[in-house]
Amino acid sequence: AQKVTQAQTEISVVEKEDVTLDCVYETRDTTYYLFWYKQPPSGELVFLIRRNSFDEQNEISGRYSWNFQKSTSSFNFTITASQVVDSAVYFCALLYGNNRLAFGKGNQVVVIP
Amino acid sequence: DGGITQSPKYLFRKEGQNVTLSCEQNLNHDAMYWYRQDPGQGLRLIYYSQIVNDFQKGDIAEGYSVSREKKESFPLTVTSAQKNPTAFYLCASSIGVSEAFFGQGTRLTVV
Repeated sequence: AQKVTQAQTEISVVEKEDVTLDCVYETRDTTYYLFWYKQPPSGELVFLIRRNSFDEQNEISGRYSWNFQKSTSSFNFTITASQVVDSAVYFCALLYGNNRLAFGKGNQVVVIP
Repeated sequence: DGGITQSPKYLFRKEGQNVTLSCEQNLNHDAMYWYRQDPGQGLRLIYYSQIVNDFQKGDIAEGYSVSREKKESFPLTVTSAQKNPTAFYLCASSIGVSEAFFGQGTRLTVV
């Protein structure tokens, strides 16, 4: 079965600390895509990053970085030097099969000034 | 500006009543999705559609119905068979394997 697991529910950090969000996925597909989305209090999900299954190169984009490891089926996401505006719910998602998009339960990140 | 428009933002439903949530996109995306969000549950897939006049059930389709008569539109009807419809509903669209774009959501409450 296809599944996305985000174990931590709420994470609190002091401003300027780094925060890492864990994501573990399950899929039988050999080709799939992984995403991270941010949901601010307004409710609309905002796309952050995307990674396909055949590219394990890890990258940094501004204050965001990600660590994709197929061997452990993990796609972790890090915010460096957190800011109050980073307070939101973050979702990991898996695109598989016939373009079906499955989400984890989300991580509530609270950045304390 | 291109995007996805959901309406209304807030919706109240009486017991036993059917209600329809609107979702329109002008991004020329082929795929459209409906998700339900409850506290602590993440986003659960209700229905999705890859092309016009075709759609598939997601994980929690019972008590819901959809149609896809136009590429731009994917309305969701919450029927009286849905026993616990109070939730936040999100519509999304995508093309190919690119990221999905989301609407601002509709918050449905049973009164």
